[in-house]
Amino acid sequence: AQSVTQLGSHVSVSEGALVLLRCNYSSSVPPYLFWYVQYPNQGLQLLLKYTSAATLVKGINGFEAEFKKSETSFHLTKPSAHMSDAAEYFCAVSVSNFGNEKLTFGTGTRLTIIP
Amino acid sequence: DGGITQSPKYLFRKEGQNVTLSCEQNLNHDAMYWYRQDPGQGLRLIYYSQIVNDFQKGDIAEGYSVSREKKESFPLTVTSAQKNPTAFYLCASSRTGGVGAFFGQGTRLTVV
Repeated sequence: AQSVTQLGSHVSVSEGALVLLRCNYSSSVPPYLFWYVQYPNQGLQLLLKYTSAATLVKGINGFEAEFKKSETSFHLTKPSAHMSDAAEYFCAVSVSNFGNEKLTFGTGTRLTIIP
Repeated sequence: DGGITQSPKYLFRKEGQNVTLSCEQNLNHDAMYWYRQDPGQGLRLIYYSQIVNDFQKGDIAEGYSVSREKKESFPLTVTSAQKNPTAFYLCASSRTGGVGAFFGQGTRLTVV
């Protein structure tokens, strides 16, 4: 079975500062990894995904994440935080099951941007 | 535009009642999922379906039921057996061979 640990349930950064949200995974087989963003009372939007094609993955809104197998990590970064980045972020892992995967989510990290 | 539609957005239920949450997708995806979200707990899988007329229990299926009579639709019924149904419910879908799931906007269920 796979699992995800997100370090830090709340992260605050100043506008313009680096955003770093941490995610570590556990999987017995090569995983697919995802970052989703959720704004209040809305569904989840896919930010980016790792599918083994490249270890550095670029997503929407200037976010990127690097897959590090040796560290079992998939941390999310953005060089310069914007007020609109304030939201909750979820890391998720899946293993393909005949092409339809069940996602296992972390508990989420709420990102606050300080003006 | 293709997407996933969940209705209603807000739902209130009296104790002892069954309620049904609707989920419709026009993405032509084979697989559909229901997740429950509680503060500080992330998302937990309730049920999923890979094809029409077939579905499997997820991690927290007790007190819930589903059907998959059409590819586009995957309604979730929260039964009176679910002891703590107040939560945010999210429906998702994915395509065979694809990676990653698309989510609806959610239904917030409150027991009154």
